[in-house]
Amino acid sequence: DVKVTQSSRYLVKRTGEKVFLECVQDMDHENMFWYRQDPGLGLRLIYFSYDVKMKEKGDIPEGYSVSREKKERFSLILESASTNQTSMYLCASSMTSTKNIQYFGAGTRLSVL
Amino acid sequence: GNSVTQMEGPVTLSEEAFLTINCTYTATGYPSLFWYVQYPGEGLQLLLKATKADDKGSNKGFEATYRKETTSFHLEKGSVQVSDSAVYFCALYNAGNNRKLIWGLGTSLAVNP
Repeated sequence: DVKVTQSSRYLVKRTGEKVFLECVQDMDHENMFWYRQDPGLGLRLIYFSYDVKMKEKGDIPEGYSVSREKKERFSLILESASTNQTSMYLCASSMTSTKNIQYFGAGTRLSVL
Repeated sequence: GNSVTQMEGPVTLSEEAFLTINCTYTATGYPSLFWYVQYPGEGLQLLLKATKADDKGSNKGFEATYRKETTSFHLEKGSVQVSDSAVYFCALYNAGNNRKLIWGLGTSLAVNP
């Protein structure tokens, strides 16, 4: 089974802090994604990556950056956390050769106070 | 462009009732279609998929048929259980999407005993 692991289930941070959300997958998938999920808004894509050191902006990249130094790890960075970044963050990975079925981690619920 | 429209929730049913969650899509060519499920407090997981017209995906008693003539992929289950309470997402993948899935907004289902 594919396993996507997010480093934290719950995080509480202060406004202005730099926040790192980590995601690791164990199936050698080339594609990795970061979403945020908010009530009534569904899943919104923040950033994705299709190879090491490659990244592409999704629909809502403002206020976020990402890092992919190794194939299995994809990090989401909030440079200066704000209260409107309080949300559920979901990481996913996929392989292009399998119709891009995405496999998700359990999510990180981030609260910015 | 590509898009997915799901019926709005929440949907509330009694145990053993019949379930239908509507999903329609807009896409060029021949997309692959997916239903994902998110149980409370968890990430999303693939429930079923269909990769070409008239395919029927099925899993855990759920079914959905890829109808190209009506551009639909409705999710059905003959007899729901309390454990089916979750949020259900319809999604599509098209070759021109640059590895991304296009998501519906999700439909919340609550099943009462």
